[in-house]
Amino acid sequence: EAEVAQSPRYKITEKSQAVAFWCDPISGHATLYWYRQILGQGPELLVQFQDESVVDDSQLPKDRFSAERLKGVDSTLKIQPAELGDSAMYLCASSAQAGANEQFFGPGTRLTVL
Amino acid sequence: QKEVEQDPGPLSVPEGAIVSLNCTYSNSAFQYFMWYRQYSRKGPELLMYTYSSGNKEDGRFTAQVDKSSKYISLFIRDSQPSDSATYLCAMRSGGSYIPTFGRGTSLIVHP
Repeated sequence: EAEVAQSPRYKITEKSQAVAFWCDPISGHATLYWYRQILGQGPELLVQFQDESVVDDSQLPKDRFSAERLKGVDSTLKIQPAELGDSAMYLCASSAQAGANEQFFGPGTRLTVL
Repeated sequence: QKEVEQDPGPLSVPEGAIVSLNCTYSNSAFQYFMWYRQYSRKGPELLMYTYSSGNKEDGRFTAQVDKSSKYISLFIRDSQPSDSATYLCAMRSGGSYIPTFGRGTSLIVHP
């Protein structure tokens, strides 16, 4: 069964360090999403890609966060420098097309910033 | 006030019980309503989605939408310990591709 892959599953870092997360969506899915889920809260969108283009990054803190999907397949989310408040689960999701009601989520990367 | 309100629980029920999970919302533009299940340390997975008002049934799960009251529900019949998870409601308008999620309700079904 096709799944969204994410790595690493867990990351512990110190504040002011750089971290990067990787996501490989389901093959053929054109739309890719990065969400942040703070413990006890629902996921909140950080950035949405359609193929290699950013469709929505209005909630991405661009002073420290960046995301790319260079070939329209896998994607990387980077935080530099990490802050204590960035501790959260970072979820990647994909869908066959923008606007699809079903998004397929990966297992997430749990980030802890010390 | 958040656009989507959901009681975080936990909700603890015995095996076999009927479970009712609910969300309220404030944005009358929401038209698509979804329920996701999230096991511990996993990503959410879609259980059901409905468009506009009405009921939808899938096995032991029934989703209801009451747009006049801005209230949605998920019912689980004959609950099983394997149903223990966090249930997230999500909803979006027709003009947006991105759903707004509730904070999730933690459900515990004990044998």
